[in-house]
Amino acid sequence: DGGITQSPKYLFRKEGQNVTLSCEQNLNHDAMYWYRQDPGQGLRLIYYSQIVNDFQKGDIAEGYSVSREKKESFPLTVTSAQKNPTAFYLCASSESGTGYRNYGYTFGSGTRLTVV
Amino acid sequence: AQSVTQPDIHITVSEGASLELRCNYSYGATPYLFWYVQSPGQGLQLLLKYFSGDTLVQGIKGFEAEFKRSQSSFNLRKPSVHWSDAAEYFCAVGANSGGYQKVTFGIGTKLQVIP
Repeated sequence: DGGITQSPKYLFRKEGQNVTLSCEQNLNHDAMYWYRQDPGQGLRLIYYSQIVNDFQKGDIAEGYSVSREKKESFPLTVTSAQKNPTAFYLCASSESGTGYRNYGYTFGSGTRLTVV
Repeated sequence: AQSVTQPDIHITVSEGASLELRCNYSYGATPYLFWYVQSPGQGLQLLLKYFSGDTLVQGIKGFEAEFKRSQSSFNLRKPSVHWSDAAEYFCAVGANSGGYQKVTFGIGTKLQVIP
């Protein structure tokens, strides 16, 4: 079945460390997204990518970096510059373009990152 | 800029009772509207979506939503709630922004179902 795989499910980071969250999709979607979820704040967009080798900052990109070298993969690195990284991170994908009938995201099952 | 308001943070209903979750949106043109559901520790699953046409939209798991342009609302309903419906529900509004889907989510409504 097609879907999005996020790994690991749980991740612990020490202060000052960079960590990378994996996101892989086999839906042949062009667009991919990273969201951060905190209790009571809903989902906030970190980065998004519409095509390979191109990505854009979302609303809260500071302290994060991404790459899009393959259509299927959109890893997120949480750097030491992110002062409050403990959160639930969600990856999503969608078909791109203006075909509104295809609108709607498919989400992965998330990675919970905790700073220790 | 688009925005979504979910005025109820928590809602508790009895199993078998009807359910309505409120959602108000702000967007200048015709919006694309969505409802997603999230079980604890999981990702979000699309329940239903509205783009145009019939303002009453049917979704999965027996849910429906009604688009009311005059009230800028897109409330989610279910006639009879099951214990397995306990989860968090997110309303979202989408728009085409430079060729990609810009989707803004509400802060969510957590549904508790009591026996």
